[in-house]
Amino acid sequence: DAKTTQPPSMDCAEGRAANLPCNHSTISGNEYVYWYRQIHSQGPQYIIHGLKNNETNEMASLIITEDRKSSTLILPHATLRDTAVYYCIVRVLYNQGGKLIFGQGTELSVKP
Amino acid sequence: GAVVSQHPSRVICKSGTSVKIECRSLDFQATTMFWYRQFPKKSLMLMATSNEGSKATYEQGVEKDKFLINHASLTLSTLTVTSAHPEDSSFYICSARGEGTQFFGPGTRLTVL
Repeated sequence: DAKTTQPPSMDCAEGRAANLPCNHSTISGNEYVYWYRQIHSQGPQYIIHGLKNNETNEMASLIITEDRKSSTLILPHATLRDTAVYYCIVRVLYNQGGKLIFGQGTELSVKP
Repeated sequence: GAVVSQHPSRVICKSGTSVKIECRSLDFQATTMFWYRQFPKKSLMLMATSNEGSKATYEQGVEKDKFLINHASLTLSTLTVTSAHPEDSSFYICSARGEGTQFFGPGTRLTVL
């Protein structure tokens, strides 16, 4: 699975949009971009995933560049409960096998 | 989303004893389950992949005789830490693949005295 690069930490003001970048320049054609987050001392929580089109769900939006070498996770209105470590992972679709390998992630701190 | 449970959530044991951690997929069938370990302020490290009815596949550097994994049914996988030592103290997290993605349990905090 391709490696990803994320900033180690970011701050965001409560109520503002949080934009979390991820670089995955070696992504293969059949690999998806997955985002998970981990709130302190809990198991990771699935957020969103996509292949090449932008995706949106009730939690977040995922913007993938046209060349697929980078992506941005957007939390439109961050709250204090969004403080967590966010992991960007690239891998083949779940039903094609593959494993979720976690990097260091981005520690997002949402401040009042 | 789908729910994955773990039991116990926290366990303290003496050095040399064995500890079993259960992982259940509550509302879906999981043909594949994963076990991760996480040390403080570190990322999750994949330990092994288990498929229902077959032997687990361990990641490089993980001792299969120390970390016994059983995936006897489509909703249950167990991890047994045998002859636990203080260096095995960690946060153990299971994950189950199903319903379009992969879901994680809440984790088990193991402390070995």
